[in-house]
Amino acid sequence: GDSVTQMEGPVTLSEEAFLTINCTYTATGYPSLFWYVQYPGEGLQLLLKATKADDKGSNKGFEATYRKETTSFHLEKGSVQVSDSAVYFCALSDRSNYQLIWGAGTKLIIKP
Amino acid sequence: DAGITQSPRHKVTETGTPVTLRCHQTENHRYMYWYRQDPGHGLRLIHYSYGVKDTDKGEVSDGYSVSRSKTEDFLLTLESATSSQTSVYFCAIRPGTDNQPQHFGDGTRLSIL
Repeated sequence: GDSVTQMEGPVTLSEEAFLTINCTYTATGYPSLFWYVQYPGEGLQLLLKATKADDKGSNKGFEATYRKETTSFHLEKGSVQVSDSAVYFCALSDRSNYQLIWGAGTKLIIKP
Repeated sequence: DAGITQSPRHKVTETGTPVTLRCHQTENHRYMYWYRQDPGHGLRLIHYSYGVKDTDKGEVSDGYSVSRSKTEDFLLTLESATSSQTSVYFCAIRPGTDNQPQHFGDGTRLSIL
C-alpha cells in the first residue's frame, strides 16, 4: 500500500541555518503531497502542497518540489528561525479515496 | 483559520465510562475525520464521514463509534473507555472537491485513569 517515509528527528539547527527535511513516498498513481506543521500544544496546520509532478509548493519561506522520478517531496528553508521549532509531517493524498497517508513526523529544534 | 471547534479541549475520566468528543465546523465541508495522535505512532485515522449519516472505519476503529446527524457536527464516542485510549484526538475537515487538503481542529487531550 501507499506509504510515506520521513527522516527521523529530532533535527537540531542553529538560527539562520539551511534546513532540509527529507520525505519520500510510495504510491500507485499520482498522489497529491502535503507538508503540515504542528507547533507545541496546537493542531496541525497546512504548510504547503503540490498536486502534480514538478509542482513547487511554498509558504512562509518553506519550499518543497514534487519529484516523481525520485518519489520525493523534501522540505527546505534557506534560513530558519527559532519560531520554526515544531514537528513537521509529510503526507500524501490517495486519489482513490482522498484519505491522507502520514509520515511519522520530524521534530525540528532551532537554537538561538 | 478553518472554522473547526473541538470540545472539550481537555478531559480526564475513569476506565469503563462512556466519553463523547464533539467536532463542530462552520465551513459546510463534506468530509470530516477523527484521528488520534500518540508518541511513536504519528497520526492514525479512527473514523471518517463523507456526508450526513455516511461514515466509515479507519485503521484504528476498534472501541470507537461515530455519528453525523448534520453536516456541521461529527461525534466520536468511546463506549467504555480504556487506558489505551488515552491520547490526543484531532478532528479534520475537507471539502468534497479534488486535491483539497484537510484542515485540523486544535485537538482534545483525553486522559483515562
